[in-house]
Amino acid sequence: DVKVTQSSRYLVKRTGEKVFLECVQDMDHENMFWYRQDPGLGLRLIYFSYDVKMKEKGDIPEGYSVSREKKERFSLILESASTNQTSMYLCASRDSYYEQYFGPGTRLTVT
Amino acid sequence: KNQVEQSPQSLIILEGKNCTLQCNYTVSPFSNLRWYKQDTGRGPVSLTIMTFSENTKSNGRYTATLDADTKQSSLHITASQLSDSASYICVVRETGGSYIPTFGRGTSLIVHP
Repeated sequence: DVKVTQSSRYLVKRTGEKVFLECVQDMDHENMFWYRQDPGLGLRLIYFSYDVKMKEKGDIPEGYSVSREKKERFSLILESASTNQTSMYLCASRDSYYEQYFGPGTRLTVT
Repeated sequence: KNQVEQSPQSLIILEGKNCTLQCNYTVSPFSNLRWYKQDTGRGPVSLTIMTFSENTKSNGRYTATLDADTKQSSLHITASQLSDSASYICVVRETGGSYIPTFGRGTSLIVHP
C-alpha cells in the first residue's frame, strides 16, 4: 500500500512565525502536491513538484514556498504565517496512472 | 477554463436509503474521472475511476456512471451505512499529460441512524 505521511496532524502557530509542513511518501513517486482545503472551496493547489529540486506554482502560491531535496520528501513552507493561512493542508503523491494518494492532512491554526 | 461542478453541496439521508451524487464537468479533451471519498479529518481516498469508454463501474455499494457526451457523472450509493458519511469529491483529468486534474468542491453526505 502507498503511504503518504505528514509530520503533524494538528499545528498551532503565531502570526509571523515560519512554519514547515513535511510530507513523505514511500512509493518512489515522482510527482508530489500540496493543497489546502477550506469549507466550501474544496481543494486548491498550492505547489507541485514533478522531480527532485523541480517545483511549479499552483493556483494559490502566494505566501508559500516549497522544497524537494529528496524524491520521497516534499516540504511546504509558510515564510511568515498569517491568520488567513489557517486551513487544512493536504499532501499527495501520484502514480503513473495519475491516481493521487493523499496524506492524512495537517490542520494548521494561525493565531 | 476547466470546471467541475458537484451537486448537491450537502445531503442528509437515513441509514439504509439510497442516494445519488452528481458531477458535471467542462474538462476537455477528457481523459478520466475519479470519485474520491474523504472521511472527516482524513485525506481523500479513490473510490473508482471512469475512462471514456466506460459507462458504469461498481465498487461494492458504490456505482459510478459516466456519460461522456453530456459530460456528466453520478455516484450512486445503495443501502447507505453510517460509515458512508463523508465528503465525496469528483476529479477530472484532461488528456495531454497535464500534471494537474480539476477538482470539484465535493458533496458532503451525512447518514443518520
